[in-house]
Amino acid sequence: DAKTTQPNSMESNEEEPVHLPCNHSTISGTDYIHWYRQLPSQGPEYVIHGLTSNVNNRMASLAIAEDRKSSTLILHRATLRDAAVYYCILRDDAGGTSYGKLTFGQGTILTVHP
Amino acid sequence: DVKVTQSSRYLVKRTGEKVFLECVQDMDHENMFWYRQDPGLGLRLIYFSYDVKMKEKGDIPEGYSVSREKKERFSLILESASTNQTSMYLCASSLNVGEQYFGPGTRLTVT
Repeated sequence: DAKTTQPNSMESNEEEPVHLPCNHSTISGTDYIHWYRQLPSQGPEYVIHGLTSNVNNRMASLAIAEDRKSSTLILHRATLRDAAVYYCILRDDAGGTSYGKLTFGQGTILTVHP
Repeated sequence: DVKVTQSSRYLVKRTGEKVFLECVQDMDHENMFWYRQDPGLGLRLIYFSYDVKMKEKGDIPEGYSVSREKKERFSLILESASTNQTSMYLCASSLNVGEQYFGPGTRLTVT
């Protein structure tokens, strides 16, 4: 699986936008970019995913670089409930070999200040 | 709402005991997964299953086995628990390559 690189930690203030970066320079053409987050004392939860185009949903936006070597998860207005570990994961969804497996890295610990 | 439930939130077992961790999902998902999570090591895949009676090793299968006799249920078995298997165990399920839904986790302590 292609590897991702994320900052160990980031901080934000409540109600401000947060941009969480992810580098994936060895991404292949069939790799989708997935983001999950893990709130304290809970299992991870899905946030968003995309292939080439930017994506929006009720939780966040995903901006994907034109060369696909990096992406950014955008939380438009951070709340205290968004404090979590955010994982950027590549998965070969189009290649038919992943069986939906996810390989988690260390992720980014997001701290949100009131 | 998709629901993934795990049999226990907390479990304490003795070294050498056989341990069963149960996971049940209610959304008819084909794929089910077992992970363990340890400080500094993150989440690591132990085993997964893509159909009833089918199982595949993940990244750290040693010391574990699994069973999937029914589509909704995926069991993780520690044949002879050891202290280095003290960890948080997380079960997940997914439909094909869709999003994974995780259970609340079981914190297992082996003494």
